[in-house]
Amino acid sequence: QKEVEQNSGPLSVPEGAIASLNCTYSDRGSQSFFWYRQYSGKSPELIMSIYSNGDKEDGRFTAQLNKASQYVSLLIRDSQPSDSATYLCAVNKGFNKFYFGSGTKLNVKP
Amino acid sequence: SAVISQKPSRDICQRGTSLTIQCQVDSQVTMMFWYRQQPGQSLTLIATANQGSEATYESGFVIDKFPISRPNLTFSTLTVSNMSPEDSSIYLCSVEGGSYNEQFFGPGTRLTVL
Repeated sequence: QKEVEQNSGPLSVPEGAIASLNCTYSDRGSQSFFWYRQYSGKSPELIMSIYSNGDKEDGRFTAQLNKASQYVSLLIRDSQPSDSATYLCAVNKGFNKFYFGSGTKLNVKP
Repeated sequence: SAVISQKPSRDICQRGTSLTIQCQVDSQVTMMFWYRQQPGQSLTLIATANQGSEATYESGFVIDKFPISRPNLTFSTLTVSNMSPEDSSIYLCSVEGGSYNEQFFGPGTRLTVL
């Protein structure tokens, strides 16, 4: 079983729509959770961190964490073509053990 | 967050040779991390490098193949030894920071082995 699972996509949404990206993790002891954006040919860029159950909002991005269901999601409101990228979910299990999902490719169509 | 640079940004190497990748951070950090991202895949942690001690390698990675140096708190190197085409990947260094010990990545080194 993989530590972090993501649907590889691609997920296609029209410009201005809400993009919903999902991630599940296997270890209930995982401590903190992250979403990274990776443009083609570039390194991952951190966009959201979440530690507690519930929602965390930052601009057009909302991260949602449900520890009981071992589920993390990222909502992108008012999606823009510039949001087209691969989104990586990552989990910190403590002791600097970071695990990354395989990523979901998002296409935002103008 | 820290500014991280890597050298080289890309290289094409012959089978059987070795390549050393450098990672420089603009501030002192306790731990530096080396990841590999194979084509179309996600990131896999190779090892964690602490200054003044041996690097800690993850399962599937060994020191003979990926020797790491950490001479001070702002610099580390990763060597990919006796390369084969299967080593063709992007190699990324990262440091931790922030409220949740987030990881921040350098720009990466794109390695192609022929």
